[in-house]
Amino acid sequence: EPEVTQTPSHQVTQMGQEVILRCVPISNHLYFYWYRQILGQKVEFLVSFYNNEISEKSEIFDDQFSVERPDGSNFTLKIRSTKLEDSAMYFCASGDSYSYEQYFGPGTRLTVT
Amino acid sequence: GESVGLHLPTLSVQEGDNSIINCAYSNSASDYFIWYKQESGKGPQFIIDIRSNMDKRQGQRVTVLLNKTVKHLSLQIAATQPGDSAVYFCAEIGGGGSNYKLTFGKGTLLTVNP
Repeated sequence: EPEVTQTPSHQVTQMGQEVILRCVPISNHLYFYWYRQILGQKVEFLVSFYNNEISEKSEIFDDQFSVERPDGSNFTLKIRSTKLEDSAMYFCASGDSYSYEQYFGPGTRLTVT
Repeated sequence: GESVGLHLPTLSVQEGDNSIINCAYSNSASDYFIWYKQESGKGPQFIIDIRSNMDKRQGQRVTVLLNKTVKHLSLQIAATQPGDSAVYFCAEIGGGGSNYKLTFGKGTLLTVNP
């Protein structure tokens, strides 16, 4: 069964450093998303991406964040200058154009020290 | 503003019992609701969905009920098994101009005792 994959599973970085989280969505999907989950809290929407552009972003997704689909398979989330409060699980999700269902990857745990 | 929340943060049941997890939402324009299961260390996994024009939808061992009058959503799990132990989130789509952004509730931890 196709699945969304994410790398790395755990990323530790120092405050102020740049990180890139990588995702490989399901191959025939057209809609891509990033969500994050701070420990013990609910999953929060960050950004949606369709047709090579951002279709919606949340207040969390400020100028420090960017997304890119550099080729036909990868979908990345970049945080330019990490802050302590960026520590969270980051989930990538993808969906097709036929249903609202979104398929989530296993997540990347980002720890900012 | 929009919000999706859960009544109970934890639920503990005996194996074989039925479980009911509840969720309240405030946005009457929400047009699609989904229940997700999240096991420890994993991403949310789709369980079942329901459109706002429906009252009930059944899947395998799961049933979702939607009461639009009181803006209440519930997930019923029949014959709960230890493998059902997880955090369950309700989520909604729509109602805010976005077709596909998921707004999640806080989550209910379901523990199934053998």
